[in-house]
Amino acid sequence: QSALTQPPSASGSPGQSVTISCTGTSSDVGGYNSVSWYQHHPGRAPKLMISEVNKRPSGVPDRFSGSKSGNTASLTVSGLQAEDEADYYCSSYAGSKNWVFGGGTKLTVL
Amino acid sequence: QVQLVQSGAEVKNPGASVKVSCKTSGYTFTAYFIHWVRQAPGQGLEWMGRINPGNGDTNFAQKFQGSVTMTRDTSINTMYMEHSSLSSDDTALYYCARGNNYAFDSWGQGTLVTVSS
Repeated sequence: QSALTQPPSASGSPGQSVTISCTGTSSDVGGYNSVSWYQHHPGRAPKLMISEVNKRPSGVPDRFSGSKSGNTASLTVSGLQAEDEADYYCSSYAGSKNWVFGGGTKLTVL
Repeated sequence: QVQLVQSGAEVKNPGASVKVSCKTSGYTFTAYFIHWVRQAPGQGLEWMGRINPGNGDTNFAQKFQGSVTMTRDTSINTMYMEHSSLSSDDTALYYCARGNNYAFDSWGQGTLVTVSS
């Protein structure tokens, strides 16, 4: 199972919006509504930010939103804040009781 | 509240095995799968496999079949991940994570496993 494809880096100024893509195949991202997104600050446990393509768990700011089109999912962070600077990973169910992650995107707030 | 607390850091020689524990609390132990995910230095997250605490059934990423076992002790709400035949490539931060049907909603703090002679 190959990793999902994410851009290695993304950036934006405070207050701006940034979108991170996550590209897979019809066997994972395109085949299931089980795409999720995680925020990972070095030294801390990853935190679930988006579940089931576009659902925000309790406590996640509504500045974070998710979407999917075909084999590509996207995470959009609106109104960027300094504390949003972190690594972001997508994940998808990949069938046959397997899961797969993306390679990760380092988000920098300029 | 939901908590997953992992065992401490380990240093192992190449060829050895390591067993990492993940003690859960704050929810019904048998109601959620536990997944294991690792992150090698400078690399991304990698899904290793999962265990059904209810019946002990396991599923693994193809890469880890045969080298990783996952077990549980229902009497103390604890999961275990054992990785055998370690090499330097297995040096990583290992996480346990609670899985619902769609995502990993709670994570342990991570266990650093260093493989070095």
